[in-house]
Amino acid sequence: QVQLQESGPGLVKPSETLSLTCTVSGDSISTYYWSWIRQPPGKGLEWIGYVYHAGTTYYNPSLKSRGTISIDKSKKQFSLNLRSVTAADTAVYYCARETNNGWYYYDSWGQGTLVTVSS
Amino acid sequence: DIQLTQSPSSLSASVGDRVIITCRASQSISNYLHWYQDKPGIAPKILIYAASSLQSGVPSRFSGSGSGTDFTLNISTLQPEDFGIYYCQQSYSNPRTFGQGTKVEIK
Repeated sequence: QVQLQESGPGLVKPSETLSLTCTVSGDSISTYYWSWIRQPPGKGLEWIGYVYHAGTTYYNPSLKSRGTISIDKSKKQFSLNLRSVTAADTAVYYCARETNNGWYYYDSWGQGTLVTVSS
Repeated sequence: DIQLTQSPSSLSASVGDRVIITCRASQSISNYLHWYQDKPGIAPKILIYAASSLQSGVPSRFSGSGSGTDFTLNISTLQPEDFGIYYCQQSYSNPRTFGQGTKVEIK
């Protein structure tokens, strides 16, 4: 059974870069799309973007080109960097696996990590 | 972007009741529509994928239907553990989008 675990700072200063890593265990990191999804306090889910095992990425345009998602297959990790953060980026950040069965839904999620943007 | 609109935004129902949540897409998404249950402090859980397929391990009281732009999630007999927020999500095109959520409370 695949497991995902987010790691990274819980507090980031405004204008700095939010950096999170997701470690995958229990299954291969290949042949899947790996996504970041966030949930601001009291609000709904927002898809940030994904990276394919081959390195292809796609980002939500709402991020205004501030995001970078990368993958390190040797470490079975993928990462999110979000630049120039503001208080609006305060959220629980989830990493998730998108299925490769042709339907592309999220069947495995990390536990989520709260990132607060504050000085 | 494809917008997903859920209704109602919230509901309160009794144990044993039948609950129906709808999700409408701003354009046709075939059946690339999935439903999740979200509870405080834990990650969202997939319930239904491809509009009507029950994810392994999910109780059979959950079912989904629809295609194109209109979808429903049905809880046939509401149980106490079914409280939470339910989200629909489309994977027809990028960016992936979620509905705004439907909060289900147990009376």
